[in-house]
Amino acid sequence: NAGVMQNPRHLVRRRGQEARLRCSPMKGHSHVYWYRQLPEEGLKFMVYLQKENIIDESGMPKERFSAEFPKEGPSILRIQQVVRGDSAAYFCASSPTGTGGRRNEKLFFGSGTQLSVL
Amino acid sequence: GQNIDQPTEMTATEGAIVQINCTYQTSGFNGLFWYQQHAGEAPTFLSYNVLDGLEEKGRFSSFLSRSKGYSYLLLKELQMKDSASYLCAVRERGGSSYKLIFGSGTRLLVRP
Repeated sequence: NAGVMQNPRHLVRRRGQEARLRCSPMKGHSHVYWYRQLPEEGLKFMVYLQKENIIDESGMPKERFSAEFPKEGPSILRIQQVVRGDSAAYFCASSPTGTGGRRNEKLFFGSGTQLSVL
Repeated sequence: GQNIDQPTEMTATEGAIVQINCTYQTSGFNGLFWYQQHAGEAPTFLSYNVLDGLEEKGRFSSFLSRSKGYSYLLLKELQMKDSASYLCAVRERGGSSYKLIFGSGTRLLVRP
């Protein structure tokens, strides 16, 4: 049973380009979370999605960032017109029922995408 | 809002015991998780507490006091492979959904 798959593992972009980060949740999981991690810092919540719906995007910057989780295919985190401050590790996590469905529901994380903006 | 505090770094000796503390202030508390993260890798689940008290799982134990907004992770019989970051995370309810809010993590260095 494959875990949470993220690709690419490393992504290099120049300022002003677009970055697309993909996340395939674990089989049977329909809830996806995106987190950003700066060096030497913790994971910062960005967005929570279910299939075709954004549930909570309170951690997403208002501009340039968007996320989707279509009925078919992986979840995509899209960053337009990247700037150097976007350089970070972006982690995706999934769960079967959205962490609140069962009390001890935990998140399973992917290995992350390291975005470097030149 | 939420605030989760952990020490930035700790050092311990192989074979010893170490306790990593976490204090939190949050609305809509719905459980506390500990994750382990090795450098460059995905965080992996260690433990979960929702009621007060101690949860033991092998060499790892986690404690929660909801009234004090306090948790700790206890690692026994430390091994070199335990050198990693340990992330305290609070599950917070917001409206009809839940999410995990993470502290900044504690980097643990285990020395021979």
